[in-house]
Amino acid sequence: AQSVTQLGSHVSVSEGALVLLRCNYSSSVPPYLFWYVQYPNQGLQLLLKYTTGATLVKGINGFEAEFKKSETSFHLTKPSAHMSDAAEYFCAVSPRTTGRRALTFGSGTRLQVQP
Amino acid sequence: DTAVSQTPKYLVTQMGNDKSIKCEQNLGHDTMYWYKQDSKKFLKIMFSYNNKELIINETVPNRFSPKSPDKAHLNLHINSLELGDSAVYFCASSQDTGAQETQYFGPGTRLLVL
Repeated sequence: AQSVTQLGSHVSVSEGALVLLRCNYSSSVPPYLFWYVQYPNQGLQLLLKYTTGATLVKGINGFEAEFKKSETSFHLTKPSAHMSDAAEYFCAVSPRTTGRRALTFGSGTRLQVQP
Repeated sequence: DTAVSQTPKYLVTQMGNDKSIKCEQNLGHDTMYWYKQDSKKFLKIMFSYNNKELIINETVPNRFSPKSPDKAHLNLHINSLELGDSAVYFCASSQDTGAQETQYFGPGTRLLVL
């Protein structure tokens, strides 16, 4: 069974600072990897995903993530935080192998951006 | 032009009541989902339908019954509501059942059972 661990339920950064949100997965076969963002009182929106090919994936709003198989990680970064980035971020995985194909979400990381 | 819409947005009801949440997507997708997000923001899949056929049915009390009248709609009916059912319920859709598919989420229905 696959699982997702997001280190840090809350991350606070200053406006303009680097954003780093951590995600590690546990799966015998590297899964498909996703980052979703949830703004207050809204649904989830895809930021980026890794399916195949280049391991550095660029997403919307200046975010990017790098798949590192050796570290079983898919950390999300943004060079310079904006106030509008304040939201809940979810890492999710979906299995490459056959069987139940559903997203498994991490517990989420709330990003606060201080002025 | 909302891609995935849910009604109602808020639902406050008494224990023991029966309620329904409706979901519609105008993206032409074949697959739809229901997720439950608890008070700690943890998201878990409940059901998934592909072209009106149930394909994922997680360990959910049988008080919860999804219904898909057509592939653009997936409704959730809940019987005999309990306090623990209080949560935000999200509907989502994707092009098909592929594991790499992007899911598009609705705005959520906030259910409070008193």
